[in-house]
Amino acid sequence: DIRMTQSPASLSASLGETVNIECLASEDIYSDLAWYQQKPGKSPQLLIYNANSLQNGVPSRFSGSGSGTQYSLKINSLQSEDVATYFCQQYNNYPTFGAGTKLELK
Amino acid sequence: EVQLVESGGGLVQPGRSMKLSCAASGFTFNNYDMAWVCQAPKKGLEWVATISYDGSSTYYRDSVKGRFTISRDNAKSTLYLQMDSLRSEDTATYYCARSFGWFAYWGQGTLVTVSS
Repeated sequence: DIRMTQSPASLSASLGETVNIECLASEDIYSDLAWYQQKPGKSPQLLIYNANSLQNGVPSRFSGSGSGTQYSLKINSLQSEDVATYFCQQYNNYPTFGAGTKLELK
Repeated sequence: EVQLVESGGGLVQPGRSMKLSCAASGFTFNNYDMAWVCQAPKKGLEWVATISYDGSSTYYRDSVKGRFTISRDNAKSTLYLQMDSLRSEDTATYYCARSFGWFAYWGQGTLVTVSS
């Protein structure tokens, strides 16, 4: 299985700040990477696929980048509604997820 | 609007069976692969199984191979997960999801609790 190491595990940031979350794959996943947002008690919502393609309806303050084994999710101008847990997922092989990053407001 | 609605969860004893269903609407069901993804309480997400658009191919995570069976009825736009020989570690919320490698649409989930 491809292991996805996500960092940090938790993050505290202020409104308007820029936030970065990283995901490291145990082998090259050729940009077969998605990012999800999950709010408490809710299902995950797709934000980004193919490492940098924004899902329809997702605000443009979210962006993804990376290649090979290293990927990141960036949130510009943090809003209160962005408080959530974020997961990365690779689909180059059988799907595997990162452990998640819990984002809170400072 | 795409909708996925899971049902069939609940409390079950270890070693027993349970069958989950996922009713799909708002898209052409038989055009898409479908998957089950689970999330243990306060834990992360784990892919469980995927079935191809026509049901001809199925894929499972190692820990459920031989115990779980994913299937679909395209005439009813419904996805299933038959879970046999359940273990306490199978306790989780089970989500059905439309799969394209990534999971663009998810149901609300159904909680399965395996306990005596």
